[in-house]
Amino acid sequence: QVQLQESGPGLVKSSQTLSLTCSVSGDSITSGDYYWNWIRQSPGKGLEWIGYSYNSGGTSYNPSLKSRVAISVDTSKNQIFLKLSSLTAADTAVYYCARGETYTGFYVFDQWGQGTLVTVSS
Amino acid sequence: SSELTQDPAVSVALGQSVKITCRGDSLRIYFASWYLQKPGQAPVLVMYGKNKRPSGIPDRFSGSSSGNTASLTITGAQAEDEGDYYCNSRDSSGNHLVFGGGTKVTVL
Repeated sequence: QVQLQESGPGLVKSSQTLSLTCSVSGDSITSGDYYWNWIRQSPGKGLEWIGYSYNSGGTSYNPSLKSRVAISVDTSKNQIFLKLSSLTAADTAVYYCARGETYTGFYVFDQWGQGTLVTVSS
Repeated sequence: SSELTQDPAVSVALGQSVKITCRGDSLRIYFASWYLQKPGQAPVLVMYGKNKRPSGIPDRFSGSSSGNTASLTITGAQAEDEGDYYCNSRDSSGNHLVFGGGTKVTVL
């Protein structure tokens, strides 16, 4: 069973860049045709898809965050990275990494990490 | 704003049935996936594709789709079914992913 674990600073200052790591265990991130996603959830709010990197090397980002976000992978370390720049208080959220699969007609997030809370302070 | 619309909250008596809906133009093209999130936990996939349940999800959960609306039905709701349910799909362009705003289900 694949497991995902997010890590990174719990507190960052506004205007700075957030860097998070998702470490995957139990399988190689290149073993299948998977998409590696970041999703966040502001306190008391719903889920927001941030973007993904997929095994063929491409990326896709939420248009509302595209100018500030970058997702990359290190296959040798079995890790996925998120960088989010120009932080504001609105970026305070629990950040999840999740494995995605696409099928004809639908997409699923079938494995999730436990999430890591990031607070942006002024 | 989300391209997928869900009712904010719904309640159901223990053992009764409840239908949760998700509306959006992209659902005319794509099936929705459904996730249950309990307080303090990560979401868990409960339904995907054309009425497919992941291993371990009880068969009281079922999914359907018609036009721009996807539905998740719980037949014989149990206390452990309480939580926030989110739908997810590709957006109308097909290039991005979106979530509905979530539906809080309370089992009375």
